[in-house]
Amino acid sequence: ETGVTQTPRHLVMGMTNKKSLKCEQHLGHNAMYWYKQSAKKPLELMFVYNFKEQTENNSVPSRFSPECPNSSHLFLHLHTLQPEDSALYLCASSQASPGTGPGNTEAFFGQGTRLTVV
Amino acid sequence: AQKVTQAQTEISVVEKEDVTLDCVYETRDTTYYLFWYKQPPSGELVFLIRRNSFDEQNEISGRYSWNFQKSTSSFNFTITASQVVDSAVYFCALSEALTDSWGKLQFGAGTQVVVTP
Repeated sequence: ETGVTQTPRHLVMGMTNKKSLKCEQHLGHNAMYWYKQSAKKPLELMFVYNFKEQTENNSVPSRFSPECPNSSHLFLHLHTLQPEDSALYLCASSQASPGTGPGNTEAFFGQGTRLTVV
Repeated sequence: AQKVTQAQTEISVVEKEDVTLDCVYETRDTTYYLFWYKQPPSGELVFLIRRNSFDEQNEISGRYSWNFQKSTSSFNFTITASQVVDSAVYFCALSEALTDSWGKLQFGAGTQVVVTP
């Protein structure tokens, strides 16, 4: 098993569909993240979960809804998306140290889900 | 304002040439962390190095080397004797150690490296 696994790898959905992206980490980490990578833009942090609690939501539209049922799984539920939401969605995990933040540990990334909204 | 600047959009080299990727960052924190990641065509970001703000020693790992200069807020990355497998997008990233920056890796725009045989 690779460290961080994302499914599906590719997804095409209509604007009225509802779909979910799944991320699973096998590294025993306690923090998980969703990033969005659009063409010609830097990677953008969307959501942060620490110990299953959401600690950051970077002004992400409500059509993106994260869920973290346990420290190994992270979902991104999608509904009524727009064509501009087409991007590569990357999941990452890290071992964060309480009190010091995760800055001292590297994040491990999955291969991403290439999402196309039509 | 972007905190991590990678001014080079794309660099093309011939195999065995050296290539240096520039990264300039901006932070008011005294404690922070800098990272380099490689993104091959498969899409996954591969961790290359982490450096904390108190460690200015340059580092070498095989054909990779990093030059951290706090005075110029730069953290440059050099690939020596490049190979075709080095072709990828390389990202520099910054993480500030404030607790409210939990998990926040701020990435540069990336530099596409193309190595031709």
